[in-house]
Amino acid sequence: GNSVTQMEGPVTLSEEAFLTINCTYTATGYPSLFWYVQYPGEGLQLLLKATKADDKGSNKGFEATYRKETTSFHLEKGSVQVSDSAVYFCALKYNTNAGKSTFGDGTTLTVKP
Amino acid sequence: SQTIHQWPATLVQPVGSPLSLECTVEGTSNPNLYWYRQAAGRGLQLLFYSVGIGQISSEVPQNLSASRPQDRQFILSSKKLLLSDSGFYLCAWSLSGTGYDEQFFGPGTRLTVL
Repeated sequence: GNSVTQMEGPVTLSEEAFLTINCTYTATGYPSLFWYVQYPGEGLQLLLKATKADDKGSNKGFEATYRKETTSFHLEKGSVQVSDSAVYFCALKYNTNAGKSTFGDGTTLTVKP
Repeated sequence: SQTIHQWPATLVQPVGSPLSLECTVEGTSNPNLYWYRQAAGRGLQLLFYSVGIGQISSEVPQNLSASRPQDRQFILSSKKLLLSDSGFYLCAWSLSGTGYDEQFFGPGTRLTVL
């Protein structure tokens, strides 16, 4: 079956540090890949997505590139802020099965001033 | 624009009591709808999904049930809550027929079973 494996957390960084959260997936075919972010006490919201190999998704300074050869979709940001503190989820989705998504377990990021 | 509502926002219920959580979507038609549960510090567990009125698929056997009485209304229910039902319940929707699009999540309901 499909699965998504995320870098275990929690991750603690100082403000302006470089961020990488690793995400690898196991799937057949060509799923779309997503990063969602969850702020405390809230639902998830889409951060960025990529729908085919070599696509780069980007938003709010975050980037991730769909690497089919390594089955990865690592999240990066060059300079994190305190406001980036949240839980980050990697997910994949096929154009079948009623659009169900497979989520990773989430990685908690804390950014200290 | 589309919006998704969930209520109540928080709920404290005794063991053995019934449950009804409601989710409604505005601004779209015939969405796919989903119920997830998120235990403390854990990932998302898909509980139910629906591709149309009256069509419910269950992902995990449990004492919960779901119904979709109207196109944009999704209800999660239980006849008798267990301690293990505590968690953060999230409703989500996505466009039908375009499976590559993202899911849109509601604000969630925090359920505590005592």
